[in-house]
Amino acid sequence: RKEVEQDPGPFNVPEGATVAFNCTYSNSASQSFFWYRQDCRKEPKLLMSVYSSGNEDGRFTAQLNRASQYISLLIRDSKLSDSATYLCVVTLTDSWGKLQFGAGTQVVVTP
Amino acid sequence: DAGITQSPRHKVTETGTPVTLRCHQTENHRYMYWYRQDPGHGLRLIHYSYGVKDTDKGEVSDGYSVSRSKTEDFLLTLESATSSQTSVYFCAISESGYANTGELFFGEGSRLTVL
Repeated sequence: RKEVEQDPGPFNVPEGATVAFNCTYSNSASQSFFWYRQDCRKEPKLLMSVYSSGNEDGRFTAQLNRASQYISLLIRDSKLSDSATYLCVVTLTDSWGKLQFGAGTQVVVTP
Repeated sequence: DAGITQSPRHKVTETGTPVTLRCHQTENHRYMYWYRQDPGHGLRLIHYSYGVKDTDKGEVSDGYSVSRSKTEDFLLTLESATSSQTSVYFCAISESGYANTGELFFGEGSRLTVL
């Protein structure tokens, strides 16, 4: 079983619509959580951290559910430029806190 | 954008040949990392460095070695390339150990094909 699992998608979303997707993690002692964005054939870039109480950054909302061991990302009012692969990232609890990446969820926003 | 340069950006080589990928940073960050990315897998850590001459293995280190003789340069070497090492390789840097902030800055990637 993978440490971090994501639905690969693609999630096809009409422009202006809302899309949400989850990421599950297997280690209940995971400490920190993040969403990265990766455009096609580009490098990943940090989108946002995920805080215990949930947090927003413009049209993006991230939630953490520790009891069920998943995090979610919601994108409101989708733009064509939101088309990308979204990587879920979790830090594990060894002393070095290595980042564990999910394989990503692809989002395609259509006109 | 963070000043990270990877070279070469694309390389095709044959099985059994040695390959070295270079990562150069201008940010003076202490931590540097090499990842590989393959379809269906998340980014997987190959090796990382927490200072000059200080390196350690990641989760997929077999067949790879690294060196860091200067703060700005981190080299990844495939001693004898195999087809299973065909992948996209990303170098990343962070100012502090990423357990603190989770923020890595990635280079543009090096696409390696081993025939």
